[in-house]
Amino acid sequence: GAGVSQTPSNKVTEKGKYVELRCDPISGHTALYWYRQSLGQGPEFLIYFQGTGAADDSGLPNDRFFAVRPEGSVSTLKIQRTERGDSAVYLCASSPGASGNTIYFGEGSWLTVV
Amino acid sequence: DQQVKQNSPSLSVQEGRISILNCDYTNSMFDYFLWYKKYPAEGPTFLISISSIKDKNEDGRFTVFLNKSAKHLSLHIVPSQPGDSAVYFCAASANGEKLTFGTGTRLTIIP
Repeated sequence: GAGVSQTPSNKVTEKGKYVELRCDPISGHTALYWYRQSLGQGPEFLIYFQGTGAADDSGLPNDRFFAVRPEGSVSTLKIQRTERGDSAVYLCASSPGASGNTIYFGEGSWLTVV
Repeated sequence: DQQVKQNSPSLSVQEGRISILNCDYTNSMFDYFLWYKKYPAEGPTFLISISSIKDKNEDGRFTVFLNKSAKHLSLHIVPSQPGDSAVYFCAASANGEKLTFGTGTRLTIIP
């Protein structure tokens, strides 16, 4: 596709439920990132994939958060036992090669935990 | 520990004048800096970047200045247009690692 695609664009879930957020990066981009943005804050790094492997998952806040990229393209961010504090916009981005260069964001998935 | 700081949460500028957005950083290992622009309900959009080997990069109405000794960068927009109204994020990386973002500055261009 032309840009990074994220689904769903909006998700409302009950506290304690499991949620999956999907990201389809720009075609040909080997690097994929997940960021989280809360109100009034900048994007906060969660995890970075180079190909299929997680090259850096140091930003995942706890073991309720997990992400996969099994075929080196589409990625899924998985959140177990959601809490109200997980409410945020989850942003996916991709780049052609190594991390630290210009990355291109999708429009985000707005998660609300009630 | 906020390694990238944007101390002005908001800025209002008259249309046609210059907008100057500022960003400070603490990590001396940062060697690549970017500015992103964000409209409501959209993801951040890349605007302009600069490597630490340069002190200025220009692209049309947008110029980024880097002062390494002061650990400070700024984005100049001239002339400012109503479509420039958005939230601007400064970001930085070290040695090709992940980007670290500031908290953003909301720019409002007054017609």
